Amino acid sequence: QKEVEQNSGPLSVPEGAIASLNCTYSDRVSQSFFWYRQYSGKSPELIMSIYSNGDKEDGRFTAQLNKASQYVSLLIRDSQPSDSATYLCAVNPRGDDKIIFGKGTRLHILP
Amino acid sequence: GAVVSQHPSRVICKSGTSVKIECRSLDFQATTMFWYRQFPKKSLMLMATSNEGSKATYEQGVEKDKFLINHASLTLSTLTVTSAHPEDSSFYICSAAPGHTYEQYFGPGTRLTVT
Repeated sequence: QKEVEQNSGPLSVPEGAIASLNCTYSDRVSQSFFWYRQYSGKSPELIMSIYSNGDKEDGRFTAQLNKASQYVSLLIRDSQPSDSATYLCAVNPRGDDKIIFGKGTRLHILP
Repeated sequence: GAVVSQHPSRVICKSGTSVKIECRSLDFQATTMFWYRQFPKKSLMLMATSNEGSKATYEQGVEKDKFLINHASLTLSTLTVTSAHPEDSSFYICSAAPGHTYEQYFGPGTRLTVT
């Protein structure tokens, strides 16, 4: 059973601090990894994709991938109240068309 | 980024009727589109993979005769909920992936209420 695990939260972070979101996956040969943001009542929005070990930065967001540990993370710097949402980790195993979503971590940025 | 639209955004229908939801990729062609369902405060659940020009692939537990999927062109997939019941009330979301990547881009979703 291919799984993607996330802490459901809520994770509360003060405004301006760094929010750190974590995800582990079970399929060792997974190749593609994604982070989506979902506001309440809205559909998911792709914010980052990462394919190689290491860090990938895009604005205030940094995705980190460690395939040996089967671990993906998302850092959000200078957190803003507008970052309050559920963050979904997703993994594409074995080049299948489908991606497997975690259940999401609720992030709450405290003003 | 890639843009996916859905129509309608909200629909209310009576029990026993059918409802069609359209999903369009606006600025790219998608040989594969996906249909998800999400109940309030629950996880996203993949219902089926829609393949252009061939039959959809349904996930375990999803009734193919109840949730009819048609992917008639490279930019349009439709989901028809047949003989809807109140338990079918949910948020239905489609996604599409540009052919060169596994990144999925989601439509805005359709909120279905069956009375």
